[in-house]
Amino acid sequence: GAGVSQTPSNKVTEKGKYVELRCDPISGHTALYWYRQSLGQGPEFLIYFQGTGAADDSGLPNDRFFAVRPEGSVSTLKIQRTERGDSAVYLCASSLLGREKGADTQYFGPGTRLTVL
Amino acid sequence: AQSVTQLDSHVSVSEGTPVLLRCNYSSSYSPSLFWYVQHPNKGLQLLLKYTSAATLVKGINGFEAEFKKSETSFHLTKPSAHMSDAAEYFCVVTLDTGFQKLVFGTGTRLLVSP
Repeated sequence: GAGVSQTPSNKVTEKGKYVELRCDPISGHTALYWYRQSLGQGPEFLIYFQGTGAADDSGLPNDRFFAVRPEGSVSTLKIQRTERGDSAVYLCASSLLGREKGADTQYFGPGTRLTVL
Repeated sequence: AQSVTQLDSHVSVSEGTPVLLRCNYSSSYSPSLFWYVQHPNKGLQLLLKYTSAATLVKGINGFEAEFKKSETSFHLTKPSAHMSDAAEYFCVVTLDTGFQKLVFGTGTRLLVSP
């Protein structure tokens, strides 16, 4: 009965380094979403998975960002050559089906706060 | 394109007084609208959602919102504020795609004083 979990809760890295952020969705949820929340802003959509495949990655800011969900459960967001502008809280959400606009509630994890020095 | 505008970045109320958080939306089609709440160091929690059923939507913790198409508004209200209501509130709309790509407003911070 656990909710969405994200690890680590905090990550501090240096400019140019590679980072991985992990998301464990609610068991049985087929849809998984990543959002990014910059300071003082609302979350912004990054990518959506339906099962193992990325159904929509239109929110990824550039090719330094990549996400995978190889077994249709846990997902990893990967950021290469980090920049100071990547500093934000990265949120993961999951939902049961991912279909039917508005009918499927997204449940959010607590987020990973990424700080790039 | 769909978007939401939260008209107030901060709202301050006294405990026991009514709460009104304003949201206006822009959508080409009939939207789905949500309010989420974010407490410090906690995940976003769904308060309520509108999906073209009843225009007055009741949510958790005594909150409700009314969808008004003529005014393109979806304001959040609560008759009596509690100290525990102090948090960041986000109005959210979905894009017109086959799934819920949520588009968030910039948020309204609710401050509740004793």
